[in-house]
Amino acid sequence: NAGVTQTPKFQVLKTGQSMTLQCAQDMNHNSMYWYRQDPGMGLRLIYYSASEGTTDKGEVPNGYNVSRLNKREFSLRLESAAPSQTSVYFCASSYTLAELTDTQYFGPGTRLTVL
Amino acid sequence: AQTVTQSQPEMSVQEAETVTLSCTYDTSESDYYLFWYKQPPSRQMILVIRQEAYKQQNATENRFSVNFQKAAKSFSLKISDSQLGDAAMYFCAGDSNYQLIWGAGTKLIIKP
Repeated sequence: NAGVTQTPKFQVLKTGQSMTLQCAQDMNHNSMYWYRQDPGMGLRLIYYSASEGTTDKGEVPNGYNVSRLNKREFSLRLESAAPSQTSVYFCASSYTLAELTDTQYFGPGTRLTVL
Repeated sequence: AQTVTQSQPEMSVQEAETVTLSCTYDTSESDYYLFWYKQPPSRQMILVIRQEAYKQQNATENRFSVNFQKAAKSFSLKISDSQLGDAAMYFCAGDSNYQLIWGAGTKLIIKP
């Protein structure tokens, strides 16, 4: 039981390049999330997926797209990377969205630098 | 809009002593949940404890306990018998419309 896994762990991009961050969970969770964490700030929600087949914008969705490929996988795509997207990205999952009693389980994060 | 405020950027405590981390959650909701997460150097976020706002009883998990004062919007985390492994960033978070709103974090240093 690996929990939530993310790839890659580190990535350096040039401005304008694109890339996809991958996330997978093996806990049979319905809901998945993408956050970014900037220095001195708490996590900010980019997008979330309440269940397979649905996605919704969070607090800071601009410049990102997501795909809920199946129940296990939720990817985050940067179409044209900008230096302002330099951050640490976390994927998380929980059993349900509707009940926020559910604990969110986090992946180890991806440190992305955009030059 | 809901806001979460952690006013202590850094705290330090002697090993085996007790430390309290502060958090305030400003919301107009009457029913909500509050969480404390720990982020060690590995960067992974780990749930420490959660509190349901409508419950009178404060949550406790082993050496971790909360002091929730709803009227004061205060949600502090007390760590008893601090251990070296407790050194980490601690984040407070509150739920709002199916999203967690996060504080900026408190860095906890444990002195041996």
